[in-house]
Amino acid sequence: DAGVIQSPRHEVTEMGQEVTLRCKPISGHDYLFWYRQTMMRGLELLIYFNNNVPIDDSGMPEDRFSAKMPNASFSTLKIQPSEPRDSAVYFCASSLVTDYPKGTGELFFGEGSRLTVL
Amino acid sequence: AQRVTQPEKLLSVFKGAPVELKCNYSYSGSPELFWYVQYSRQRLQLLLRHISRESIKGFTADLNKGETSFHLKKPFAQEEDSAMYYCALSGQGYSTLTFGKGTMLLVSP
Repeated sequence: DAGVIQSPRHEVTEMGQEVTLRCKPISGHDYLFWYRQTMMRGLELLIYFNNNVPIDDSGMPEDRFSAKMPNASFSTLKIQPSEPRDSAVYFCASSLVTDYPKGTGELFFGEGSRLTVL
Repeated sequence: AQRVTQPEKLLSVFKGAPVELKCNYSYSGSPELFWYVQYSRQRLQLLLRHISRESIKGFTADLNKGETSFHLKKPFAQEEDSAMYYCALSGQGYSTLTFGKGTMLLVSP
């Protein structure tokens, strides 16, 4: 398995443009997470899905951010319109919770998408 | 609310020296604690979890509920240990992880 696959790896765009980040989770995993990494705030959970259903999007900064998971093998994170403060590395991760409710499945991360908004 | 604090942004040691990366947490129930590591040009990956009570790459971490800490320790640091280390917490029954801001460990020869 190639692991969690994210694209693009790097994106440079101008303020006001729409940005779409993509993620393919590990086959068979039932949880998918989107995290944002910045120097100031570290790793922040934006949203997560269970069996393609959004469970908690309270970490999404504002209405400019949206995420979808149309099927078990694909998710997108969209920013429209983008702003310079959105510049960060966005990580997608997936997991399979095998010992719920006692345990948390190990998170497998993608390589991240580095976004720069000018 | 759950919170993870890693007080050091950067920890620099010499090869062979002991290492302790600090992690304190805030959670009212029984948490699960983890350490994740990101080596240069590699993905963020799980290093160890407290329920496993195992040593990985010479690293150990003990959950101290009295001090609400989960410090990561290694008696003799190696250059290949240089990486970004994140402490993470999951509340009981939940599948999400709350991460600390991370500590960069630099091991010099």
